[in-house]
Amino acid sequence: NAGVTQTPKFRVLKTGQSMTLLCAQDMNHEYMYWYRQDPGMGLRLIHYSVGEGTTAKGEVPDGYNVSRLKKQNFLLGLESAAPSQTSVYFCASSYSPLTSDEQFFGPGTRLTVL
Amino acid sequence: TQLLEQSPQFLSIQEGENLTVYCNSSSVFSSLQWYRQEPGEGPVLLVTVVTGGEVKKLKRLTFQFGDARKDSSLHITAAQPGDTGLYLCAGESGGSYIPTFGRGTSLIVHP
Repeated sequence: NAGVTQTPKFRVLKTGQSMTLLCAQDMNHEYMYWYRQDPGMGLRLIHYSVGEGTTAKGEVPDGYNVSRLKKQNFLLGLESAAPSQTSVYFCASSYSPLTSDEQFFGPGTRLTVL
Repeated sequence: TQLLEQSPQFLSIQEGENLTVYCNSSSVFSSLQWYRQEPGEGPVLLVTVVTGGEVKKLKRLTFQFGDARKDSSLHITAAQPGDTGLYLCAGESGGSYIPTFGRGTSLIVHP
């Protein structure tokens, strides 16, 4: 049982390049989330999904797109990377939307945009 | 505007000391969660509090949810170097079912 996995772990991009971050979970969770974490800012929600084929915007969605074609996978795309997108990205999943339900986090992807 | 305010932002203490960190809001939360994040890893849930006035204990950690469900505190007794990490509170308000995280308290416990 791997839990939540993220690939890649590290990536360096040049401004304007594109990339996709992959998140996978093997817990059959309906809900999946993408966060970014910057120093002193905590975790900020980028996009989330309440089930296969659905996505919704979070607090800071600009410059990102997501897709949830399969229940176990949640992809985060950067079409044209900018230095402001340098951050650590975390994926999480939960069984239900209940606020008392635990979110399980992946190990993170550290992205640097030059 | 940060929905959940955590204080202090940084805390550096010696092994064996006690400490309390706070998570405050002007909004009412249906529940609050505390996570701990170690360097280079994702956050891991410590506890969820759901009832106003609730107190939960996890070994040397004591969590309290305010009576009005607008604030929470985490008290650590006899801190150890293994307690070092970023402590995040998270909660949902307004029926959105999407949790909001505070900015965290970064704790360093020196041996």
